[in-house]
Amino acid sequence: DAGVTQSPTHLIKTRGQHVTLRCSPISGHKSVSWYQQVLGQGPQFIFQYYEKEERGRGNFPDRFSARQFPNYSSELNVNALLLGDSALYLCASSAGQGNSPLHFGNGTRLTVT
Amino acid sequence: SQQGEEDPQALSIQEGENATMNCSYKTSINNLQWYRQNSGRGLVHLILIRSNEREKHSGRLRVTLDTSKKSSSLLITASRAADTASYFCATDEETSGSRLTFGEGTQLTVNP
Repeated sequence: DAGVTQSPTHLIKTRGQHVTLRCSPISGHKSVSWYQQVLGQGPQFIFQYYEKEERGRGNFPDRFSARQFPNYSSELNVNALLLGDSALYLCASSAGQGNSPLHFGNGTRLTVT
Repeated sequence: SQQGEEDPQALSIQEGENATMNCSYKTSINNLQWYRQNSGRGLVHLILIRSNEREKHSGRLRVTLDTSKKSSSLLITASRAADTASYFCATDEETSGSRLTFGEGTQLTVNP
């Protein structure tokens, strides 16, 4: 079975632009979470979606938004990019609403110049 | 915010030696999980220990949990060069509902 897939793998954007990151969960998994990992730090929670509804939001500005589609895939959108948004964005899926355990994709490396 | 704090931040050992990493956290938890990350790639789940468990084993991994001290340790026995990676603890907090809170990780280097 395919694992969690994310696209694109790398992305370079300019300050002020908008970006959309995509994630396909493991087949049968209904929960998708997004995490931001800045170099040298642990992942920070951004969003969780379960059954197409937002079930949790981390301490990120409104420039960050996400949604989950009927096939359980998900998009993370970031508007008005800042240099500080440069990070590895990780998507994770799990079978249930909880976090036990999470299956991560290999992430999208976003560089904002 | 980071709940877990890992100790040490970096650890360098020889193949065959044991590696011990520690994690401390601040709030009540449902469970604590350990993940591994190779060089900027995705995280891989290693082991989960529930709040009512004290010790758990999986292959060469041994995890302990002390909820009174709000701490956990991960022991990797008979380490291999392929164990070189960053290791993160993550807590599933009772009040979080939907998130894992990760520590900042321990960078383990196993020298051949």
